[in-house]
Amino acid sequence: GNSVTQMEGPVTLSEEAFLTINCTYTATGYPSLFWYVQYPGEGLQLLLKATKADDKGSNKGFEATYRKETTSFHLEKGSVQVSDSAVYFCALRGEKGGFKTIFGAGTRLFVKA
Amino acid sequence: DAGVTQSPTHLIKTRGQHVTLRCSPISGHKSVSWYQQVLGQGPQFIFQYYEKEERGRGNFPDRFSARQFPNYSSELNVNALLLGDSALYLCASSERGGLEEQFFGPGTRLTVL
Repeated sequence: GNSVTQMEGPVTLSEEAFLTINCTYTATGYPSLFWYVQYPGEGLQLLLKATKADDKGSNKGFEATYRKETTSFHLEKGSVQVSDSAVYFCALRGEKGGFKTIFGAGTRLFVKA
Repeated sequence: DAGVTQSPTHLIKTRGQHVTLRCSPISGHKSVSWYQQVLGQGPQFIFQYYEKEERGRGNFPDRFSARQFPNYSSELNVNALLLGDSALYLCASSERGGLEEQFFGPGTRLTVL
């Protein structure tokens, strides 16, 4: 079945450092890929998405490119801020999976001032 | 516009009890999905409803049930609570329950003692 694997955390960075959180997936068909962010005590917020191969999703300085050849959707940001501290979830949803969203285990990011 | 709302915010129950969680989708959204997020893990799909019909069910025991009302709000019921049911329960709504964006509510934190 469909699955998502993302790098384990926590990831600790200093402010203005470069961020990469790796995500790979297994899926039949052509799923849509997502990154969600969860701030402490809150629900999930959609950060960015890509719906087909080679699409780049971007939002708030974060980017991720849908790579079908490597089945990856790595999250990147050039310069993190303390306010980016949160848990980040990679996810997929596709017609073959019955439209349910499959989430990775999450990666906690700590950004130090 | 109001987002997805869930009630209650927090709930404490004892083993063997029953619980009902409620969700109101964004106005105009006809699909509601429920997810369970155990501490430190990614959300796991429980149910999806569209136009009051169950469209999908995750790998959860029959103690879990749900329904959707004519106004598209939804209830998640859990019987015979176990300690392992302690989690954040998230509701998500979307227009049609397909590949369009899902919007998540803040969740209900259930603690089973």
